[in-house]
Amino acid sequence: DVKVTQSSRYLVKRTGEKVFLECVQDMDHENMFWYRQDPGLGLRLIYFSYDVKMKEKGDIPEGYSVSREKKERFSLILESASTNQTSMYLCASSHRLAGQQETQYFGPGTRLLVL
Amino acid sequence: AQSVAQPEDQVNVAEGNPLTVKCTYSVSGNPYLFWYVQYPNRGLQFLLKYITGDNLVKGSYGFEAEFNKSQTSFHLKKPSALVSDSALYFCAVRRYTGGFKTIFGAGTRLFVKA
Repeated sequence: DVKVTQSSRYLVKRTGEKVFLECVQDMDHENMFWYRQDPGLGLRLIYFSYDVKMKEKGDIPEGYSVSREKKERFSLILESASTNQTSMYLCASSHRLAGQQETQYFGPGTRLLVL
Repeated sequence: AQSVAQPEDQVNVAEGNPLTVKCTYSVSGNPYLFWYVQYPNRGLQFLLKYITGDNLVKGSYGFEAEFNKSQTSFHLKKPSALVSDSALYFCAVRRYTGGFKTIFGAGTRLFVKA
């Protein structure tokens, strides 16, 4: 079974703090993604990566950055956390060769509260 | 704009009754459509997908979805609902904008009453 793990299930941070969310997958997937999930808005793509050291902006990249130094690990960074970044953050991975048929495998999510 | 819409925030159904969760899409070219489910306190799980071929797609946990090109719909169905089906369901569509991306709907919460 594909396993995608996220470093924390719940996180509480203060405004202005630098926040790191870590994601690790064990299926040698090339593609990795970060989404945020908000009620009524569904999932919105923040950043994604097709390979090590590669990154692409998603639909809402402002206030976030990412790092992919190893194939299995994709980190999301909030440079200076703000209250409007309180959300559920979901990491996902997929196999590149799937192309249009791509199925994404998700981690359990990190619920972040910024005070 | 290429997108996917789930017109119902919430669907209520009694256990044993059939259920339908609606999804419509707007995408140029051939659509690639997916359903994912999120059970309480768990990550999203893939249910089923439509790529090509038979309009009725069967997936996990007894779910199926019907692709209707003329109505641009991809409704999720199950003949007999279980209480354990209560979850948040997301419809998604793949689109190409210089690279493939998956666009998710806002989600529909399904409540199945015993």
